[in-house]
Amino acid sequence: EVQVLESGGGLVQPGGSLRLSCGGSGFPFSSYAMNWVRQAPGKGLEWVSAITGSGSATDYAESVRGRFTISRDNSKNTLYLQMSSLRADDTGIYYCARSSSGPIAAGSQFQYWGQGTLVTVSS
Amino acid sequence: DIQMTQSPNFLSASVGDTVTITCRASQSISRFLNWYQQKPGRAPTLLIHVAYILQSGVPSRFAGSGSGTDFTLTISGLQPDDSAIYYCQQSASTPWTFGQGTKVEIK
Repeated sequence: EVQVLESGGGLVQPGGSLRLSCGGSGFPFSSYAMNWVRQAPGKGLEWVSAITGSGSATDYAESVRGRFTISRDNSKNTLYLQMSSLRADDTGIYYCARSSSGPIAAGSQFQYWGQGTLVTVSS
Repeated sequence: DIQMTQSPNFLSASVGDTVTITCRASQSISRFLNWYQQKPGRAPTLLIHVAYILQSGVPSRFAGSGSGTDFTLTISGLQPDDSAIYYCQQSASTPWTFGQGTKVEIK
């Protein structure tokens, strides 16, 4: 059974940093691109970042480019999101989502989702 | 960026009704359109990909159609379990973008 499980959320002050993790199981982790998608309280879905299965390429939403870094350790079946210079509008649930293919490619989907981890940026 | 616009934002229908949600892209995305369902307090789940292909395990009362800029999600024979928010998402080019969501309420 495919599973993805996020961890690392919490309360952080504006300007602070936080690292999210996402463990994958039930599938060949390095064969699939992975994504972070977030949802502000009571709002819709926003794609944040993606990384190819090999980890050789990454992509970011403009709203987080330069502040967030996505990475993965395929030996540990784990995806990361390092978040810095956090702002109040970064508050929300962060979902880890597995793509349907290895590259960040047209036609892919967010095929499997974790349950999400809550990030709250507040003083 | 490709903007995705759904209509309506909210709809209320009875069990057994057929409902349609529309999603419009700001530019042509071929058939690179996915639909997700999100129930309260839960993560989204994939319903349909590449405009019309039903994800494994999704009931056949869900159907997707469209290409280019205009797409529809149809639920035929609405069930109480279909109460949720539905999102479209384009996968033609990054940044991947979502519609604002359509909340479906069962009367």
